[in-house]
Amino acid sequence: EVQLVESGGGLVRPGGSLRLSCSVSGFIFNDHYLDWVRQAPGKGLEWIARSRDRFRGHTTQYAASVEGRFTISRDTARTSVYLQMFGLKTEDTAVYYCTRSTFGRGNFDSWGQGTLVTVSS
Amino acid sequence: DIQMTQSPSSLSASVGDRVTITCRASQDVRDDLGWYQQKPGKAPKRLIYTASILESGVPSRFGGSGFGTEFTLTINSVQPEDFATYYCLQHTRFPYIFGQGTKLEIK
Repeated sequence: EVQLVESGGGLVRPGGSLRLSCSVSGFIFNDHYLDWVRQAPGKGLEWIARSRDRFRGHTTQYAASVEGRFTISRDTARTSVYLQMFGLKTEDTAVYYCTRSTFGRGNFDSWGQGTLVTVSS
Repeated sequence: DIQMTQSPSSLSASVGDRVTITCRASQDVRDDLGWYQQKPGKAPKRLIYTASILESGVPSRFGGSGFGTEFTLTINSVQPEDFATYYCLQHTRFPYIFGQGTKLEIK
């Protein structure tokens, strides 16, 4: 069974940092894209970061809203993907979802349960 | 960026009704279009990918169609468990953009 489990959310001050983790199981970790998608309270969905599969060199891609402040990375030994967030702003307050995609079969076929990040003074 | 305009933003229906949700892309996205269902407090769930391919395990009353800039999600004979918010997603070009959502409510 495919599983993605996020952790690391919490309350952080504006300008602060936080690292989200997503532990995955049930599939070949490096054969899939892993992305972060967020949802501000009461709002829609926003894709923010991608780590491509091993066939595409684990290259990364970011939304303009987070580029330069957020970094996505993966740890093969721990079958985990991370989102390091710096310079947090109040508008980064959201539920952050870890998702899986498979090249050639659309995107975001599996989702974690989400972790809430609140940026507030 | 490619913009996705989803309509309507909300929709009331009765059990057994047929409903249609539309997504319009500001540029050609070929068939790089997915549909997602989200229930309150839960993660989204993919229903359809590549515009018309039904995800495994999704009931056949859900259907997707379209190519290029116009796409539709149809639910034939809405069931109580279908009341939720639906999103389209274009993934032909970065940044990937979701539609703003359609909330399907019980009439």
